[in-house]
Amino acid sequence: AQSVTQLDSQVPVFEEAPVELRCNYSSSVSVYLFWYVQYPNQGLQLLLKYLSGSTLVKGINGFEAEFNKSQTSFHLRKPSVHISDTAEYFCAVSETNAGKSTFGDGTTLTVKP
Amino acid sequence: DAGVIQSPRHEVTEMGQEVTLRCKPISGHDYLFWYRQTMMRGLELLIYFNNNVPIDDSGMPEDRFSAKMPNASFSTLKIQPSEPRDSAVYFCASSLAGRQYFGPGTRLTVL
Repeated sequence: AQSVTQLDSQVPVFEEAPVELRCNYSSSVSVYLFWYVQYPNQGLQLLLKYLSGSTLVKGINGFEAEFNKSQTSFHLRKPSVHISDTAEYFCAVSETNAGKSTFGDGTTLTVKP
Repeated sequence: DAGVIQSPRHEVTEMGQEVTLRCKPISGHDYLFWYRQTMMRGLELLIYFNNNVPIDDSGMPEDRFSAKMPNASFSTLKIQPSEPRDSAVYFCASSLAGRQYFGPGTRLTVL
């Protein structure tokens, strides 16, 4: 069975500061990894995904994530956040060739002016 | 593509009434998921289908909940009878190759 742990439930940060949202996973097989963002009163939308290849993955809105197999981590980073990045962020893992993803509990990112 | 379509967007009903939520997945996607999201419990997977066949319904909270997917372009989630603790946002998502596309959700309030 696979699991996802998002290490921080809430991350407050000032505008233009860097941010890292942490995600660890466990799985006995190869996985796909995803970060989704949920803005207020909306559904989740994909930020970025790791399927294979380069361990550094770039997504939309200036976000990137690094897959670290030895540490079973997939942390999300952005060098300079904006007020509009305030949202909830979900890390998800899917075993390759399986349709179902396991989601973390989410991290609420609050960007302050 | 219009994305995943859910209806209604908002539903207010009284305890004991039947509620039916509807979902139209993205054409060509082979998986469909129903989730429930609340402040207390976060995002919960209720049930998912592969090629219209239910694969895992272990997340369905009670027998009051049922889901169907009669064809590749339509699914329903039914609650009968509804209770106040069912109040939540219900999301439908479809996927192809692991990536999930979420609908805008149905906000259900049971009074």
